[in-house]
Amino acid sequence: IQLTQSPSSLSASVGDRVTITCRASQGISSYLAWYQQKPGKAPKLLIYAASTLQSGVPSRFSGSGSGTDFTLTISSLQPEDFATYYCQQLNSYPFGGGTKVEIK
Amino acid sequence: EVQLVESGGGLVQPGGSLRLSCAASGFTFSSYDMHWVRQATGKGLEWVSAIGTAGDTYYPGSVKGRFTISRENAKNSLYLQMNSLRAGDTAVYYCARDLYSGSPLSAFDIWGQGTMVTVSS
Repeated sequence: IQLTQSPSSLSASVGDRVTITCRASQGISSYLAWYQQKPGKAPKLLIYAASTLQSGVPSRFSGSGSGTDFTLTISSLQPEDFATYYCQQLNSYPFGGGTKVEIK
Repeated sequence: EVQLVESGGGLVQPGGSLRLSCAASGFTFSSYDMHWVRQATGKGLEWVSAIGTAGDTYYPGSVKGRFTISRENAKNSLYLQMNSLRAGDTAVYYCARDLYSGSPLSAFDIWGQGTMVTVSS
């Protein structure tokens, strides 16, 4: 199963609503997680089971979707949210290629 | 504090071997599936191996037959034995805990800081 993220990068301003998409090459039910990674740091879990917010993660992050199409939304981008985001499928563990969120 | 700490990285020649370790603390290590994930400089994340609580192991095709994951519950430790190393194996290697072992409605919730492996002559 392949995961394709889009876009591969985006520029946004503080306060913007940001949406990142992850498409699976075949249906994966809700077996999808989202991670945030900052330079030089380990990834941090944001969302699992497609839409469950990990404990301690701000509520401006949300996930949706099932089957083949999934979305990570940041409702109001904050300065600390500039990072790279990855989706991951939890049956055979592949990751998407990543989406880098940069400051406009 | 729940923590994972990797060690054992370094410089190795092509064709050589290296053993990575991951020390777990702050949780019941034996109750969780564990994973290794790697990341080449400037590249994305790649899952490398998994081990279940019963010792069952899983690998992607890129490392199968060359890498071996193991665990020693008495020492709260995870290992990755890497043989026949290639330049393409150069990366930061992370160990990670599986949030809900045995369920695909899971994720990797705890990560170590990573250890760098460089394969070069």
